[in-house]
Amino acid sequence: EAGVAQSPRYKIIEKRQSVAFWCNPISGHATLYWYQQILGQGPKLLIQFQNNGVVDDSQLPKDRFSAERLKGVDSTLKIQPAKLEDSAVYLCASSFPSVPFNEQFFGPGTRLTVL
Amino acid sequence: GQSLEQPSEVTAVEGAIVQINCTYQTSGFYGLSWYQQHDGGAPTFLSYNALDGLEETGRFSSFLSRSDSYGYLLLQELQMKDSASYFCAVRSWDSNYQLIWGAGTKLIIKP
Repeated sequence: EAGVAQSPRYKIIEKRQSVAFWCNPISGHATLYWYQQILGQGPKLLIQFQNNGVVDDSQLPKDRFSAERLKGVDSTLKIQPAKLEDSAVYLCASSFPSVPFNEQFFGPGTRLTVL
Repeated sequence: GQSLEQPSEVTAVEGAIVQINCTYQTSGFYGLSWYQQHDGGAPTFLSYNALDGLEETGRFSSFLSRSDSYGYLLLQELQMKDSASYFCAVRSWDSNYQLIWGAGTKLIIKP
């Protein structure tokens, strides 16, 4: 079974530039998450999708971050314009939509450096 | 709000047993998960506890006490490949059932 795919793996940009990350979840997983993980911290949820609808985006800085999952499969996360504090690893995860428990499967992440 | 506390670093010897503690504060607790993350790698799921008691999966066990808002991950017969960061994460109704993650415990294993 293929895992969660993410690209690019690494990205270096200058502040005020824009950047986009792509994620393809495990086949059949209706729920998709984007997390931000700053060095030395645990992942912080940015946005959760159920199919192509947003379940939770309460911690997404909407003035600069946007995300979409148009066909309920793959997803993109965009930052525009980037700030220095956006330097982090951006993790995509997917799961079956079972509450209260669902094991989340993570992709390898995109390491973003903002100069 | 929610908060989790776990030690930032734990050191142990290969072949030994180590316990990583996690205390949490939240309302409407649902369950406690543990994930492992190697440097530069993705978090991988280890265990989930919703009820009090011990869950065992091979060399790893996880314990939960809901009354004490406390859990721990127990790793036995430590191997060098267990060197990684370990995160506890809580799911509760006041986080809209989202996982709230601790800062992680870096486990250093010495030969």
